[in-house]
Amino acid sequence: RKEVEQDPGPFNVPEGATVAFNCTYSNSASQSFFWYRQDCRKEPKLLMSVYSSGNEDGRFTAQLNRASQYISLLIRDSKLSDSATYLCVVMTTDSWGKLQFGAGTQVVVTP
Amino acid sequence: DVKVTQSSRYLVKRTGEKVFLECVQDMDHENMFWYRQDPGLGLRLIYFSYDVKMKEKGDIPEGYSVSREKKERFSLILESASTNQTSMYLCASSPTGALRDEQYFGPGTRLTVT
Repeated sequence: RKEVEQDPGPFNVPEGATVAFNCTYSNSASQSFFWYRQDCRKEPKLLMSVYSSGNEDGRFTAQLNRASQYISLLIRDSKLSDSATYLCVVMTTDSWGKLQFGAGTQVVVTP
Repeated sequence: DVKVTQSSRYLVKRTGEKVFLECVQDMDHENMFWYRQDPGLGLRLIYFSYDVKMKEKGDIPEGYSVSREKKERFSLILESASTNQTSMYLCASSPTGALRDEQYFGPGTRLTVT
């Protein structure tokens, strides 16, 4: 079983709509959670960290559910430029800076 | 602005060749990482280094070795390339091993082994 699992998508979203997707993790010792964004043929870049209480960054909202071991990302008012693959990333306390990546969820925003 | 550079964007090598992939970061980061990215599998950690001359195996170290002689440079070596090492290779760096440290990635090297 993979440590971090994501629905690969694609999620096809009309411009202006809201899209949300989850990521599950298997290691209950996981302590840090992130969403990275990867554009086609580009390197991953940090989108946002995920905090225990949930957090927002503009149109993006991240939530953490420790009991069920999943994190979520919600994108409101989708823009064409939001089309990308979103990587769920987890770090455990004993992994000394090592990240575990999900395979990514592809989002395609259409006009 | 953090910059991580990789020596080549595209590389084609033959089976059995020795391959060197170079990565340089310019922000005095302690940690450096080598990943490979394959469709459906995501990024998998090959090796990482938390200090000069220090290295630790990641999840898939077999067939690879690394070298970190200077803080800013981390090299990935394929001693004898094989076709199953055809992949996108991504280098990354982070300031320390702290739980909230962001990793900064290079643009990647797409390696094809024929």
